Amino acid sequence: DTEVTQTPKHLVMGMTNKKSLKCEQHMGHRAMYWYKQKAKKPPELMFVYSYEKLSINESVPSRFSPECPNSSLLNLHLHALQPEDSALYLCASSPNHRGRAEQYFGPGTRLTVT
Amino acid sequence: GENVEQHPSTLSVQEGDSAVIKCTYSDSASNYFPWYKQELGKRPQLIIDIRSNVGEKKDQRIAVTLNKTAKHFSLHITETQPEDSAVYFCAARLYNFNKFYFGSGTKLNVKP
Repeated sequence: DTEVTQTPKHLVMGMTNKKSLKCEQHMGHRAMYWYKQKAKKPPELMFVYSYEKLSINESVPSRFSPECPNSSLLNLHLHALQPEDSALYLCASSPNHRGRAEQYFGPGTRLTVT
Repeated sequence: GENVEQHPSTLSVQEGDSAVIKCTYSDSASNYFPWYKQELGKRPQLIIDIRSNVGEKKDQRIAVTLNKTAKHFSLHITETQPEDSAVYFCAARLYNFNKFYFGSGTKLNVKP
C-alpha cells in the first residue's frame, strides 16, 4: 500500500460547526503533515507530526486542532472557522527514517466555509 | 529559514519540445530536492527527486540537475506531451528537519 487516504473529499460547514478531517497511511511512515492550499498557490504547511508527536506548528490559529491518535492516523479538528479558511486541505506523509525523505500527498479535502 | 524561488511562473511549449523549470534555494543545509506535478483538482504527485550528493538524476523523459555551489536545481522534461500540462512545484528540505519549503509553482502548458 503506497497511498495516503483522506476523508471526506468535500466538506461544507458553517462558521459555528465542528467537523474533523481524517488522514490515513499504512506505509509505516513516521512523519505526517497537514497543509492548506489555496488556488494557484503552493501547499502551505500547517502542522507536522514526527513519531506521533507534534513537532511543527506554523502559528496556525487555534480553530484548527491537530491530533495524531496513532502512527497511521492524523486528524484535523475544525471549529468556528472563517470563510477565508475555505481551501484544499492536504495530508502528507514521509518515511523520516533510514535517510528517506520523500513525501506523499493524499487527495485532499475540499473545504468550503459558509 | 529556507527560501525557494521558482521560475518561470508560466511556460508554454509546443508538443515535442523540451521544457525547463528552475529553482534556487538559500540555505546550504538543504539536502533533498523533490519536484511535484499537480493537475487541476488533484493532489501534488512526486515525480522526481534528488539528494545533495548527486548532480543529476533521470527517469525516462524527466531529469533533475542540482548545482550545490550555485544553490540551484532544475527540472527538464523532454519530448513534452499534452498530458504533461500541469502546475509543477519544486521544494527543498533542510537536513534532518521535517519541513519542505515550496517554490511558487510553474504552470506548464503543452500545446498539441
